[in-house]
Amino acid sequence: DTGVSQNPRHKITKRGQNVTFRCDPISEHNRLYWYRQTLGQGPEFLTYFQNEAQLEKSRLLSDRFSAERPKGSFSTLEIQRTEQGDSAMYLCASSLGRATTEAFFGQGTRLTVV
Amino acid sequence: GENVEQHPSTLSVQEGDSAVIKCTYSDSASNYFPWYKQELGKRPQLIIDIRSNVGEKKDQRIAVTLNKTAKHFSLHITETQPEDSAVYFCAAMGFSGGYNKLIFGAGTRLAVHP
Repeated sequence: DTGVSQNPRHKITKRGQNVTFRCDPISEHNRLYWYRQTLGQGPEFLTYFQNEAQLEKSRLLSDRFSAERPKGSFSTLEIQRTEQGDSAMYLCASSLGRATTEAFFGQGTRLTVV
Repeated sequence: GENVEQHPSTLSVQEGDSAVIKCTYSDSASNYFPWYKQELGKRPQLIIDIRSNVGEKKDQRIAVTLNKTAKHFSLHITETQPEDSAVYFCAAMGFSGGYNKLIFGAGTRLAVHP
């Protein structure tokens, strides 16, 4: 499968624990986005990268969230001290460098905080 | 920043009828407007997109129109089929903060009844 890959697909964690998700974009794509989706809602922008540079982080994102893309390829999203409100589907998408190109989504990581 | 509103939130039609979903956006600098279809448990997938230098685009049974003056765009599905049942999201490429990113609407759940 040469599409966007996310791991793990599902994660159940206890409140207060840290979790880390990984996204592997399509190989030639230099833009990478992270979104959060809750039931019945559209994808909510979290942050995005152009190559290894993190260009913007949503103001809705608390300091418990951090993302990296160290070599401009795969990316990780870490949530520290998880809360029940963090339960959601975390989606990654990638696209070529120009702004007006299709963003391809991964299958997402479903996080459940108990 | 960019804000995208989508209506209606749910839409129920009979097979063969047309369906129209409407979105408005706030950032007049936005220049790319994709539509995604998300089936239950699957990733969002692009079905059609339009750029700001075009007023209408058609691909078989689906079409998108864009009114830049009014800052709204619409998805039209003709001759609907049961397999069109899904959640549809509109998005706009906003330029707030000097960087461009895709902002999504809240989604429309379309049900096509045989």
